[in-house]
Amino acid sequence: GAVVSQHPSRVICKSGTSVKIECRSLDFQATTMFWYRQFPKKSLMLMATSNEGSKATYEQGVEKDKFLINHASLTLSTLTVTSAHPEDSSFYICSARSLGLAGFMEQFFGPGTRLTVL
Amino acid sequence: KNEVEQSPQNLTAQEGEFITINCSYSVGISALHWLQQHPGGGIVSLFMLSSGKKKHGRLIATINIQEKHSSLHITASHPRDSAVYICAAGRETSGSRLTFGEGTQLTVNP
Repeated sequence: GAVVSQHPSRVICKSGTSVKIECRSLDFQATTMFWYRQFPKKSLMLMATSNEGSKATYEQGVEKDKFLINHASLTLSTLTVTSAHPEDSSFYICSARSLGLAGFMEQFFGPGTRLTVL
Repeated sequence: KNEVEQSPQNLTAQEGEFITINCSYSVGISALHWLQQHPGGGIVSLFMLSSGKKKHGRLIATINIQEKHSSLHITASHPRDSAVYICAAGRETSGSRLTFGEGTQLTVNP
């Protein structure tokens, strides 16, 4: 099946710094990528939908100036957590949408990035 | 009431047992996903269903569109199956955006 990678897998940073997380579709082109956040023992929460070449669509309550999303190519989307604070510590997951073998649009998930802000 | 509900929330089984996890949804969907999340967080997509039944190894997923219900079955369960299993509904009216269930924590003891 299709592969989506995320980098880094773990990051620890100091409060006030910015952190960039990359999401790549390795063997397919993804016109749409999704960014999720997961709190401990909770389900995934959609943060934003990222379309290649256009501005991301953010979910209600997600600060677009805080969580900058760039989808510069069909295989790469980045999430930058700006001026990170301890409350931004979380597990961030991306997924990429692609036409699957059966002809349906499928989503393929990345392995996630664990962000810890000290 | 959540749009996607899973049951049970927690499930403990002995190695070798047949396991069923249920998912009910209240929205119109274009597809239903079953995902597996291991400790450490990485998510693996197990199945995407829009009708009928799919099988992969010891895993079987079924969906009943009329009843808005899907099940994930694991035959001959093994400790390495221990993980959180999440169902997610792709809604007809919102493209590929997914609505997630709360997840089922499965523990298979040797």
